[in-house]
Amino acid sequence: DQQVKQNSPSLSVQEGRISILNCDYTNSMFDYFLWYKKYPAEGPTFLISISSIKDKNEDGRFTVFLNKSAKHLSLHIVPSQPGDSAVYFCAASAFLLGYGGSQGNLIFGKGTKLSVKP
Amino acid sequence: DGGITQSPKYLFRKEGQNVTLSCEQNLNHDAMYWYRQDPGQGLRLIYYSQIVNDFQKGDIAEGYSVSREKKESFPLTVTSAQKNPTAFYLCASSPGLAGIKEQFFGPGTRLTVL
Repeated sequence: DQQVKQNSPSLSVQEGRISILNCDYTNSMFDYFLWYKKYPAEGPTFLISISSIKDKNEDGRFTVFLNKSAKHLSLHIVPSQPGDSAVYFCAASAFLLGYGGSQGNLIFGKGTKLSVKP
Repeated sequence: DGGITQSPKYLFRKEGQNVTLSCEQNLNHDAMYWYRQDPGQGLRLIYYSQIVNDFQKGDIAEGYSVSREKKESFPLTVTSAQKNPTAFYLCASSPGLAGIKEQFFGPGTRLTVL
């Protein structure tokens, strides 16, 4: 059973507009959430994270919002640029509680492919 | 330059052969991980190691084996028992049990079994 879900396999956005990528989770023990960006044939690179004690974290054009009651987080990219075109993975961890006896392990969603058109 | 290296980037093997994928890091990280990515799938954890000479099975360990004899190295062997070995394999590392929670990934190895 998927604990981290990214229900949109793909998203297409015009350059300069906002991109919103969504992620839902089912495990209420998750207390740390991350977004990774991945280009084809490369390893994922860390983008931004948020702890469960916050509801928003911002880094330049990237903002992550966390709604714990809905078990939902989203990544906003404003403004979107063609170079943002990639697959974005949401990941979660029950870091503080050591979920599964393996502290720090991340559970990944299946990813959303973002295409930003010029 | 600190980072994670995986070699080779592309690997071809005949069915029934064992193959070992290399992963080296010079970040002084305690924990290392192996993931597998298939088209349309997320990253699935194969094995992880939180300290030298210790490793644990992940979600899809069957048909794989690992060793962690040195802190900087975590090779993955894909054995002939792995029924569908063709995939993109990613190695990652993180500082350890406490502190920074992000994992840092290598560039990946694409294994094709013919």
